[in-house]
Amino acid sequence: DTAVSQTPKYLVTQMGNDKSIKCEQNLGHDTMYWYKQDSKKFLKIMFSYNNKELIINETVPNRFSPKSPDKAHLNLHINSLELGDSAVYFCASSRVRTGGTEAFFGQGTRLTVV
Amino acid sequence: AQTVTQSQPEMSVQEAETVTLSCTYDTSESDYYLFWYKQPPSRQMILVIRQEAYKQQNATENRFSVNFQKAAKSFSLKISDSQLGDAAMYFCAYTLLYGGSQGNLIFGKGTKLSVKP
Repeated sequence: DTAVSQTPKYLVTQMGNDKSIKCEQNLGHDTMYWYKQDSKKFLKIMFSYNNKELIINETVPNRFSPKSPDKAHLNLHINSLELGDSAVYFCASSRVRTGGTEAFFGQGTRLTVV
Repeated sequence: AQTVTQSQPEMSVQEAETVTLSCTYDTSESDYYLFWYKQPPSRQMILVIRQEAYKQQNATENRFSVNFQKAAKSFSLKISDSQLGDAAMYFCAYTLLYGGSQGNLIFGKGTKLSVKP
């Protein structure tokens, strides 16, 4: 009964390709997020999304786009992959609108662009 | 803009001893949460402890406790009776309680904790 699950765990792809990472949460949370962890382990938010509002970190290239088919899913699409996109991407969710609590994280997806 | 600073890139502690990890933050807001997350080699992000800024009492979770100094904008983590399984990266994080960015975590750069047997 994984609370936040993301697939795949590992993704190796060539420059210029388009790829997606899927995320699902079964916690009934109202808000989902994508974070990027770089090679120095620094974590930075990319997007936060509930069913009404998408907040985008201004530093995220528009090649990255979140897609939410329903409240339990927030997938990450990346177009025209570049070497610098190699990182670990974490999906997370939290119950923000009804009283902020901690974020629960998926296990991460290690993306390697070659 | 809010920032979180962890000034100790690496720390080491002897098994069964106590260690304190430092965290400072900068914000002009009064309502926020602070967290410590642990990331072991498995990569999983695990919540260690949470502190609401409006609470004066320091949070504790078993062997983990914090020293929250709101005026000084300081939020240190104390690990007592350190165990080998405590070895991990520890991240201090901040989030607003209200507003459009509520829930968005701002992380420090992390402290790598080693535990010596």
